[in-house]
Amino acid sequence: QSALTQPRSVSGSPGQSVTISCTGTSSDVGGYNYVSWYQQHPGKAPKLMIYDVSKRPSGVPDRFSGSKSGNTASLTISGLQAEDEADYYCCSYAGSYTPVVFGGGTKLTVL
Amino acid sequence: EVQLVQSGAEVKKPGESLRISCKGSGYSFTSYWISWVRQMPGKGLEWMGRIDPSDSYTNYSPSFQGHVTISADKSISTAYLQWSSLKASDTAMYYCARHPYSYGSPFDYWGQGTLVTVSS
Repeated sequence: QSALTQPRSVSGSPGQSVTISCTGTSSDVGGYNYVSWYQQHPGKAPKLMIYDVSKRPSGVPDRFSGSKSGNTASLTISGLQAEDEADYYCCSYAGSYTPVVFGGGTKLTVL
Repeated sequence: EVQLVQSGAEVKKPGESLRISCKGSGYSFTSYWISWVRQMPGKGLEWMGRIDPSDSYTNYSPSFQGHVTISADKSISTAYLQWSSLKASDTAMYYCARHPYSYGSPFDYWGQGTLVTVSS
């Protein structure tokens, strides 16, 4: 199972919005509504930000939103803040044999 | 409070064996999968495999099948990841994470990570 495709990096200024894409296939992203997104600050464990494509866990700001179209999922962060600077990983269910596949990760820089 | 607490950093030589652990607390350990995730230096997350602590059923990524063994001892709410013969390429941070028993369930809690360094 190949990793999902994410841009290596994105950037934005404080207050702006950025969108991170995550492209898979009909066997993973396109086949199920089970895409999740994780934020990872340097030296820290990943943190769940979005699950089931667009649901936010308790405590995650509503500046974070998720969506999906076809084989591509997206994470949008609006009203960028300095603390949003981190690596972001998408993750999808990919069937019962290999149930989990991650994206390669995207480094978000807040200018 | 839900917590996954992993064992400490390890420095090993190639060919040595190793077992690292992940102890769950604050929830019913046998009601969630535990997965292991590798992160090589400067690289992304890779799912290695998972275990159902209630019956020790395991599921491995093809990339890791045969290279590692995942186990659990539900009596002490602890999951394990072990190698019988380490290689330098096993140098990485290893995370455990729990996820509910349902298709596509997200990793809602993560351990703090265990850094494994393999060097001669």
